[in-house]
Amino acid sequence: GAVVSQHPSWVICKSGTSVKIECRSLDFQATTMFWYRQFPKQSLMLMATSNEGSKATYEQGVEKDKFLINHASLTLSTLTVTSAHPEDSSFYICSAPTPARETEAFFGQGTRLTVV
Amino acid sequence: GQNIDQPTEMTATEGAIVQINCTYQTSGFNGLFWYQQHAGEAPTFLSYNVLDGLEEKGRFSSFLSRSKGYSYLLLKELQMKDSASYLCAVKDSNYQLIWGAGTKLIIKP
Repeated sequence: GAVVSQHPSWVICKSGTSVKIECRSLDFQATTMFWYRQFPKQSLMLMATSNEGSKATYEQGVEKDKFLINHASLTLSTLTVTSAHPEDSSFYICSAPTPARETEAFFGQGTRLTVV
Repeated sequence: GQNIDQPTEMTATEGAIVQINCTYQTSGFNGLFWYQQHAGEAPTFLSYNVLDGLEEKGRFSSFLSRSKGYSYLLLKELQMKDSASYLCAVKDSNYQLIWGAGTKLIIKP
């Protein structure tokens, strides 16, 4: 079964509103989670690294005030897209390394965000 | 900078064999991964190589040459369900995954 659960799997929102995406690790604790964005026919692009109990680390070019990340517990990280615009429409995926297999990253199911 | 190259698209016939190549230039190396991704879905793990050589897992095999910065994914006895994108990723010295753009594999009957 899935070791990382992401919710919702798809969402449609109006321009200017905010959307929250949740990523939960199941049956293990994740001190670190990764948030990716993927545009059609393009590769995964790392947006930020979420760290439990501290501030997230954002990749260059990613607006931290627009993409709010909260890692409040060892099993939950959230990404909030604030004041969403149509260009934010994308596939957002979270992942977490598992403690049992540090070499591998398991992914959430992904969230398809459409901003209209 | 860090760079991972793989072909954009490949086409193969059902039942045949296909090899997808990946070359990389990264700051440090802590393993190379292959993932399969169907459209609109999250990637699923296929293989991991950290030492030189061939790793075989059923119909899929992955090869690594660290000195050449090169890997390939070999898919045998192709099935229609193998039509997907195949992503090559390398963990750099900071243990961060650097992703290739992916190879879209099209399987024809």
